[in-house]
Amino acid sequence: DAGVIQSPRHEVTEMGQEVTLRCKPISGHDYLFWYRQTMMRGLELLIYFNNNVPIDDSGMPEDRFSAKMPNASFSTLKIQPSEPRDSAVYFCASRDDRDGGEQFFGPGTRLTVL
Amino acid sequence: AQKVTQAQTEISVVEKEDVTLDCVYETRDTTYYLFWYKQPPSGELVFLIRRNSFDEQNEISGRYSWNFQKSTSSFNFTITASQVVDSAVYFCALSEYGFRTSGTYKYIFGTGTRLKVLA
Repeated sequence: DAGVIQSPRHEVTEMGQEVTLRCKPISGHDYLFWYRQTMMRGLELLIYFNNNVPIDDSGMPEDRFSAKMPNASFSTLKIQPSEPRDSAVYFCASRDDRDGGEQFFGPGTRLTVL
Repeated sequence: AQKVTQAQTEISVVEKEDVTLDCVYETRDTTYYLFWYKQPPSGELVFLIRRNSFDEQNEISGRYSWNFQKSTSSFNFTITASQVVDSAVYFCALSEYGFRTSGTYKYIFGTGTRLKVLA
């Protein structure tokens, strides 16, 4: 398997623009997680899905952030409108449904909002 | 409440030295899982090990070893004969069984320890 795939790897945009980050989980994995990593706050869980259904979005910072998982092989994280404070590395991770199964992370998307 | 503490923010060692990265966790559950991840300068997060709360056996994988002690709520990571390629940020994570989180296993990450191995 190719592992978790994220695109784009780098995104530079201007404040106010819409940003869409994409993720393809490992085939057969039932759980998908979106994280944000910054120097100030470390790794934060934003939202996770189980079988394409959002389970917990309590980490989503505000209404400007939304995430979808239309099918088992694709998820998006959208920021609209983007702000400079959204600049971070966004990771997608997936895992199977074994008890305590480890999460496998994608390479991340480095987002810079000017 | 869940909590993971990695008190060592940054450690520098000279190549071939042994180094131990500390991880202390807090949980009220009896069933939980602990993990270590490596984040090299390239930025990806690489899974290293998973341990469940019922298995206190230490584990060795090449130059890496892990010491799990429930009595002190610690899950420490030792690199023997460190190499420059070991330079990275290392994260410890905790996941509880999850009745309170809809039966799933969210991670709580520590803040990470940056390891610098000098040639």
